[in-house]
Order: sequence, then C-alpha cells, then structure tokens
Amino acid sequence: GAGVSQSPRYKVAKRGQDVALRCDPISGHVSLFWYQQALGQGPEFLTYFQNEAQLDKSGLPSDRFFAERPEGSVSTLKIQRTQQEDSAVYLCASSGYTDTQYFGPGTRLTVL
Amino acid sequence: GENVEQHPSTLSVQEGDSAVIKCTYSDSASNYFPWYKQELGKGPQLIIDIRSNVGEKKDQRIAVTLNKTAKHFSLHITETQPEDSAVYFCAASISGGSYIPTFGRGTSLIVHP
Repeated sequence: GAGVSQSPRYKVAKRGQDVALRCDPISGHVSLFWYQQALGQGPEFLTYFQNEAQLDKSGLPSDRFFAERPEGSVSTLKIQRTQQEDSAVYLCASSGYTDTQYFGPGTRLTVL
Repeated sequence: GENVEQHPSTLSVQEGDSAVIKCTYSDSASNYFPWYKQELGKGPQLIIDIRSNVGEKKDQRIAVTLNKTAKHFSLHITETQPEDSAVYFCAASISGGSYIPTFGRGTSLIVHP
C-alpha cells in the first residue's frame, strides 16, 4: 500500500502562531516516530508512540511541543507559539514489528 | 546516551569509483545499525542495515561492515553512478522494544558523470 504521508509539505508561520503537522503512517504499523531535522543535520528524535500510547517524549525541546495519536493511527505534532528556532523539517516514521523505520517526505516549517 | 560520529561530511567521486562512509558509535549496547539515503526534498530511505551478530552484509553494489570491538561501521558503494548522489545517514540503536535510533550528521555524496 501507500507509504508514510505527511501534510502539509510546507508551512510558513509567523512567530507566535500555532501550527499542526499531520502524519499518516503505513496501515497497521504500531510504532510511530517524530523527528526534527535542521538544515545539514541528521534527524533528531522528538517522540515515539506505540499504538496510541506515547512511550517516550524525551526529545521534545519545550512544553510548546505536543504530539498525539488518539486512535493509534494518524498522529499530529502541534507547536504552540512558534519561534524562529523551530524552523526545520519535521519527519514522521512508522514501523511494524521490525526495526525498519519508513519515513515520510517531511514537513518543512519556516517561522518568520 | 548514544553518540554517532560520521565522516566525511562531503564526498566527491567520479562515476565508477568506490565510495566509503565511516561512522563510530559510543554505546556498546547498540546492536542495530541502519543506513539511510536521503534525496533532496524527500525523507530518508533505508538502503541497508546490519546487526551486531554479523560482520558484513552485501546487497548488490552496497555493503556494510561492522567492527564491534572498535565500535565503528562503514558503508561501501562500488561502481558509483550519478543517481547515487544524495545525503547518506548512519544510525545506531538497540534492537527491539522502544528503540530510538541516533543518527549521524550525514555525508553528502556527489558522483560526477
């Protein structure tokens, strides 16, 4: 079936605005990960879900970042009161019962 | 926590040459080492992985080697082609459970025709 999809692909926000980024994982994948990728860097872990349970959120940089996956499928990463340092590509990945993670194309967030 | 160092940051080769990218890790508990290829505007795509019970793995023109004692692993691409041009990331994690991979900073590979 289809791979991991993310929307929007591009988002421009004014500083202080709230944004919501969506991830549709591969159907049936129990694990879902969010990463932040700054320009010229590797992906940095933000948070991890197993089904609807958020098992690790140690990578979230501040309490302005919030993620949810209420029905164990689609996930939303919300950033409140965006700051310029939040500008990055936000990647979502999902995996089944193996270690292999399948990444989406990412959402490029630009905060002006 | 885990720390992954990746070198070089940029690698330029002629078509047909071989390319080698090296990574080191710090956590001896890490036992799963995937390599990802990221093309412009796309998410990372797994190209090959290796587990700590294996020293080498090959898949056509790409191979990965692992030295657990020295805590380093390498990606080898032979007979490079222009379509191999991309950013390559290594990662290290502990297999199973709620493993969280730590990524290297990436290597930009440029293959000149």
